[in-house]
Amino acid sequence: GAVVSQHPSWVICKSGTSVKIECRSLDFQATTMFWYRQFPKQSLMLMATSNEGSKATYEQGVEKDKFLINHASLTLSTLTVTSAHPEDSSFYICSAREWLAGETDTQYFGPGTRLTVL
Amino acid sequence: GNSVTQMEGPVTLSEEAFLTINCTYTATGYPSLFWYVQYPGEGLQLLLKATKADDKGSNKGFEATYRKETTSFHLEKGSVQVSDSAVYFCALIGAGSYQLTFGKGTKLSVIP
Repeated sequence: GAVVSQHPSWVICKSGTSVKIECRSLDFQATTMFWYRQFPKQSLMLMATSNEGSKATYEQGVEKDKFLINHASLTLSTLTVTSAHPEDSSFYICSAREWLAGETDTQYFGPGTRLTVL
Repeated sequence: GNSVTQMEGPVTLSEEAFLTINCTYTATGYPSLFWYVQYPGEGLQLLLKATKADDKGSNKGFEATYRKETTSFHLEKGSVQVSDSAVYFCALIGAGSYQLTFGKGTKLSVIP
């Protein structure tokens, strides 16, 4: 099946620093990737939709200058949390959209990245 | 807009018990329906899906049938195992869209 990887799986950083998280589709090309944030014991909150070669579309309330998204190739999207603060600590999950002609759109998820900002 | 409603958890079952997690949805047209599972500390894994009315998705002993008349997609398993302990999310992709709409998730704990 389709596999999506994320790196790193966990990261601890100091307040004010920036952190980059990578999301890769390993065995398929993903023109669209999604970034979610998940708080403890809650569902996933869609942060932004990332389209290869174009600017990301951010959901209402998500600061695009704080959460920088780059989708430079069909297999890689990155999320950079700039000037991170403790309230940015969360579990960040990416997904990649696999679309095959005549098939159902399906999203495959990465394993997530646990960010802790001290 | 689209929405998904799941039964609230947590659900605690003994090993080999029968599992049902209810899921109903609101959407225009014919959405595609999904169940995802999240094991502790991990991302989501696609468990099963159904794309049209009366379709049955199945995987690893889990089943769900797309019921258009009741707008439901209930997850069932005849005999749960301890290893099934996880959070289960019902989700849909609306017609003409590619964004997932999730339910809030149901935590299942299976005890020996």
